[in-house]
Amino acid sequence: GQSLEQPSEVTAVEGAIVQINCTYQTSGFYGLSWYQQHDGGAPTFLSYNALDGLEETGRFSSFLSRSDSYGYLLLQELQMKDSASYFCAVRGAAGNKLTFGGGTRVLVKP
Amino acid sequence: NAGVTQTPKFRILKIGQSMTLQCAQDMNHNYMYWYRQDPGMGLKLIYYSVGAGITDKGEVPNGYNVSRSTTEDFPLRLELAAPSQTSVYFCATTLDRANEQFFGPGTRLTVL
Repeated sequence: GQSLEQPSEVTAVEGAIVQINCTYQTSGFYGLSWYQQHDGGAPTFLSYNALDGLEETGRFSSFLSRSDSYGYLLLQELQMKDSASYFCAVRGAAGNKLTFGGGTRVLVKP
Repeated sequence: NAGVTQTPKFRILKIGQSMTLQCAQDMNHNYMYWYRQDPGMGLKLIYYSVGAGITDKGEVPNGYNVSRSTTEDFPLRLELAAPSQTSVYFCATTLDRANEQFFGPGTRLTVL
């Protein structure tokens, strides 16, 4: 089976940096994805890492270490609109589907 | 392009009733997925399809059925609704396996 662990909640102020960690256990591994979901909304894709290292997309970056079964999402220059839940998801041995973590709720305060 | 559409947006069912949740996409994607999300939780995969005529079970398939007769449509059938099926249901599609999934707006289902 597959399992992912991420913190349940993080609180930070505007302009700060937040790192959301995700550790996973999976049989076979193709890549780690991150999704953002605002309250009452649908998940939207943020990033995907298949290889070790850092991927940067604007204020958001995602990192993967395959040897440590670990990744993180880095949110920089936090804005109020970044208040949302963030999910890591692993694409495992089956290849055709994702397994999602329980989500990290990020609360940005003024 | 509408992307991924789901109907209805909201529904209240009585225990034992049945219904079909509709999902349609105009993105010409082969891969389609049904998830459920309980309050404060992550997404659980119910069923998925890699193309017309092909479906497979996900993590929580009991109490649900699907069909995929066309590329565009992937309906989810609930038979004999139970309170445990109260949840938000999301349909998603992807072109390239599961790297980037595009989600519909969701259907909020309550079973009383």
